[in-house]
Amino acid sequence: GDSVTQMEGPVTLSEEAFLTINCTYTATGYPSLFWYVQYPGEGLQLLLKATKADDKGSNKGFEATYRKETTSFHLEKGSVQVSDSAVYFCALEKAAGNKLTFGGGTRVLVKP
Amino acid sequence: KAGVTQTPRYLIKTRGQQVTLSCSPISGHRSVSWYQQTPGQGLQFLFEYFSETQRNKGNFPGRFSGRQFSNSRSEMNVSTLELGDSALYLCASKRGTGAHEQYFGPGTRLTVT
Repeated sequence: GDSVTQMEGPVTLSEEAFLTINCTYTATGYPSLFWYVQYPGEGLQLLLKATKADDKGSNKGFEATYRKETTSFHLEKGSVQVSDSAVYFCALEKAAGNKLTFGGGTRVLVKP
Repeated sequence: KAGVTQTPRYLIKTRGQQVTLSCSPISGHRSVSWYQQTPGQGLQFLFEYFSETQRNKGNFPGRFSGRQFSNSRSEMNVSTLELGDSALYLCASKRGTGAHEQYFGPGTRLTVT
């Protein structure tokens, strides 16, 4: 079946450091790929998405590129802030349905 | 535009009881999905409703059920609660077929004692 694997955390960084969270997927066909962020005590917020190969999603300084050849969708941010501390989830959605398949989540802690 | 709302936000129940959770999607959204989030299993898909019909179902026992009303509001019900049902239950809404973004509510935190 479909699956998403992302690096385990926690990832601890200093403010203004570069952030990368690796995400790879296994799925048949051409899924859409997403990054969601969850702040403490809240639901999930869509951070960015890419719906086809080579698409780059970007939002709030975060970027991720849909790489079909490596089945990856790594999240990057050039300079993190304390407010970026959260749990980040990579997810895929198959074209045929609305079910999201999530990775295990990566907790990111940014220290001042 | 108001976001996805879920009620109640917190709930404590006893083993063997049943519970009903409610979700109101964003206005104009016709698809509602439910997810269970636990520390051990992560985020798992429960089911999805579109125009009052269940279109997709995850791998959960029959104790978990749901429905959607004509105004797109959705409820999920868990009967004969078990300790392992303690989780954050998240609802997400989507405009409909062809749209990609799912918007999540804040969740209902269910604790089973």
